[in-house]
Amino acid sequence: DAKTTQPTSMDCAEGRAANLPCNHSTISGNEYVYWYRQIHSQGPQYIIHGLKNNETNEMASLIITEDRKSSTLILPHATLRDTAVYYCIVRTNNAGNMLTFGGGTRLMVKP
Amino acid sequence: DTGVSQDPRHKITKRGQNVTFRCDPISEHNRLYWYRQTLGQGPEFLTYFQNEAQLEKSRLLSDRFSAERPKGSFSTLEIQRTEQGDSAMYLCASSHGMLSADTQYFGPGTRLTVL
Repeated sequence: DAKTTQPTSMDCAEGRAANLPCNHSTISGNEYVYWYRQIHSQGPQYIIHGLKNNETNEMASLIITEDRKSSTLILPHATLRDTAVYYCIVRTNNAGNMLTFGGGTRLMVKP
Repeated sequence: DTGVSQDPRHKITKRGQNVTFRCDPISEHNRLYWYRQTLGQGPEFLTYFQNEAQLEKSRLLSDRFSAERPKGSFSTLEIQRTEQGDSAMYLCASSHGMLSADTQYFGPGTRLTVL
């Protein structure tokens, strides 16, 4: 699976949009971009995934550039409960393909 | 709809003892994964089951570790002769396996402390 690069940490004001970038310049055509987050001492929580098109669900939006070499996870109205480590993962959907977690971005939402 | 459950949530043991953890996947999910997470690091893959068959094992899974999924439902992870380096969060995840986007859903984890 392709490697991803994320900033180590970011701050965001409560109520504002949080935009978390991810670089995946070596992504191949059949690899999806997945986002998970992990709140302290809990298991990772699935947020969203996409292949080529932008995606939106009740939690977030995922914007993937046209060349697919980078993406941005958007939390439209960040709350204190969104404080977590956010992981961007690139993987294929082949049978049994494990998730390879990097260091992630530690997002701190401040009042 | 219940998510992935793990038991126990916390385990403290003495070095050299054996421990066993259980994972119950989401109903009808036929793939089950084990990961390990040490402090300050992201989760690392350990092993994967498709139904009852263990199809992939990481080099992290030493011979002291064994995982089973006897009936293709719940799974157990056993660590024999625990060492202090085994202290970590052990995470279980499951996925449907039949959908085009095979998203993995994680349980809350079992935190192991080896004294």
